[in-house]
Amino acid sequence: GAVVSQHPSRVICKSGTSVKIECRSLDFQATTMFWYRQFPKQSLMLMATSNEGSKATYEQGVEKDKFLINHASLTLSTLTVTSAHPEDSSFYICSASGRRAYNEQFFGPGTRLTVL
Amino acid sequence: QKEVEQNSGPLSVPEGAIASLNCTYSDRGSQSFFWYRQYSGKSPELIMSIYSNGDKEDGRFTAQLNKASQYVSLLIRDSQPSDSATYLCAVPNTGFQKLVFGTGTRLLVSP
Repeated sequence: GAVVSQHPSRVICKSGTSVKIECRSLDFQATTMFWYRQFPKQSLMLMATSNEGSKATYEQGVEKDKFLINHASLTLSTLTVTSAHPEDSSFYICSASGRRAYNEQFFGPGTRLTVL
Repeated sequence: QKEVEQNSGPLSVPEGAIASLNCTYSDRGSQSFFWYRQYSGKSPELIMSIYSNGDKEDGRFTAQLNKASQYVSLLIRDSQPSDSATYLCAVPNTGFQKLVFGTGTRLLVSP
């Protein structure tokens, strides 16, 4: 149990295009989903927290107009990187919680984004 | 702001030995604690959760919690080369929404 999937696992795009990443909780209802970014050899960086049916809460320094998050259902959240640039190239990871009393977070496998 | 601290390592142990990973946290009110394992290039995987003082065992893994001293540790018995990874300690912030992660300890198990 507690499986989270992400799609796509890898994406390469041209500068200026938008990329959508999907995160799904497969066997539980995720009341809260989180989006992280991780650069090589660096720590996880939380970008935003989203609760189903509500607007996402972004961390300081994360541009909400550039990283659009939608959490339309208890099993699906999407992150859209708008007008992507090479500096947005990173490993994007979602996580989901809601399955247990102490709200453990279960991570998806991640999406590696390369912007040319 | 809660803080979670870990030694970045690397912690090097020979195959078959016990690896001991430590984590301290700043918020005395913290109630739950998590250990994640992250292989290079992969996402974190939850391996242990602990909520009460004392030890919790799961296979080769034992989590130890001491709330009075504000530390939580992870012991890996019979370490294997496949255990080589970064181990992240995490504590939920107030409201149990976000997790505050330590910087992680890199474990290297040599054959």
